[in-house]
Amino acid sequence: EAGVAQSPRYKIIEKRQSVAFWCNPISGHATLYWYQQILGQGPKLLIQFQNNGVVDDSQLPKDRFSAERLKGVDSTLKIQPAKLEDSAVYLCASSLDMGSWLFFGSGTQLSVL
Amino acid sequence: GQQLNQSPQSMFIQEGEDVSMNCTSSSIFNTWLWYKQDPGEGPVLLIALYKAGELTSNGRLTAQFGITRKDSFLNISASIPSDVGIYFCAGQAQYGGATNKLIFGTGTLLAVQP
Repeated sequence: EAGVAQSPRYKIIEKRQSVAFWCNPISGHATLYWYQQILGQGPKLLIQFQNNGVVDDSQLPKDRFSAERLKGVDSTLKIQPAKLEDSAVYLCASSLDMGSWLFFGSGTQLSVL
Repeated sequence: GQQLNQSPQSMFIQEGEDVSMNCTSSSIFNTWLWYKQDPGEGPVLLIALYKAGELTSNGRLTAQFGITRKDSFLNISASIPSDVGIYFCAGQAQYGGATNKLIFGTGTLLAVQP
């Protein structure tokens, strides 16, 4: 069974630029999550989707972050414009359904200069 | 955002030693999970605990769900070099209409010297 796929693995941008991350969850997983992991901290949930609907985006900085999962499969997370404090690893995870175990991708490491 | 308190922050041990780490919260959780994260990778689930007082083992790993539902412990016996990594606890509870919200701990860095 293929795992959660994320791309790119690394991204370096300057502040005020835009960036997008892509995630392909495990086949058949209805729930998809985006987490932000700042160096030295545990992952923090940004947004949770159930199929193509948003379940929880309470910690998503909506003035600059956006995410979509249009067909209930792949998802993209965008930051526009990026700030220095957005430097972090962005992890995508999926689960069969809400209440099931989460499987994480390898993440995208973002550096904002 | 809320994070759970893990201790110790880091551990440097000799191969073969046993390791203990714990996680505490001011909130009650229905499920406790323990993950391991290798450098450049996402967290991988090690053990899941579903009931207060539950003690569960996975090979050399043993974890317990605290009676108060506000804490959990992870023990690793006879450590080996590949145990190196960051260990995260995570608590899971239902918030409003959203289930499966996972709150992560601050992490424990484990280094094992051969």
